[in-house]
Amino acid sequence: QAGLTQPPSVSKDLRQTATLTCTGNSNNVGNQGAVWLQQHQGHPPKSLSFRNNNRPSGISERFSASRSGNTASLTITGLQPEDEADYYCSAWDTRLNAWVFGGGTRLTVL
Amino acid sequence: EVQLVESGGGLVQPGGSLRLSCAASGFRLSNYWMSWVRQAPGRGLECVATITEEGSNKYHVDSVKGRFTISRDTANNSLYLQMNSLRAEDTAVYYCAGPTHAYWGQGTPVTVSS
Repeated sequence: QAGLTQPPSVSKDLRQTATLTCTGNSNNVGNQGAVWLQQHQGHPPKSLSFRNNNRPSGISERFSASRSGNTASLTITGLQPEDEADYYCSAWDTRLNAWVFGGGTRLTVL
Repeated sequence: EVQLVESGGGLVQPGGSLRLSCAASGFRLSNYWMSWVRQAPGRGLECVATITEEGSNKYHVDSVKGRFTISRDTANNSLYLQMNSLRAEDTAVYYCAGPTHAYWGQGTPVTVSS
């Protein structure tokens, strides 16, 4: 089933800012908004943002989510070594009646 | 504190069955949409089934339709995934997630192999 589009990899220097993108369509991201997840190797995913772009409790203010049309974005400021992980976006698709995921972006902090 | 704990995974032969369970604590599972999401080795995330609050609607991805069934037990505050006619491509870690992917369990591994 059709998924969301994310760049496979992003590399940024320590303490810099990374912006990850997630492109869908009017049936998913454009309609319902997207959630963002962080996954470290060997661990389950962890929620970074809700569909309204708010952060769950305990998530650093360095992580902020936004949306413009059919594209959702996750901005991470002041990159730290522990931010190195896989990042996934997901949205409910009203045509497919399913949660669709992006393929994930591997963030490398140099 | 919200917690989701999956169980029931294991090694099964092609064509076999497994029933995954997810015990929830810290919130009433029946009040929210909940999902089963899987991750094949070295791959991304795929939602295989979603159930709406009170179980009024159930959605299954095409690749598992007719083989997997999501359900819930309000009394036990638990979510289930009955998996029949398992195939090698169903091999993955299966996560219980919700609502809206806010919380995740630690996952239970399923391996389908002869």
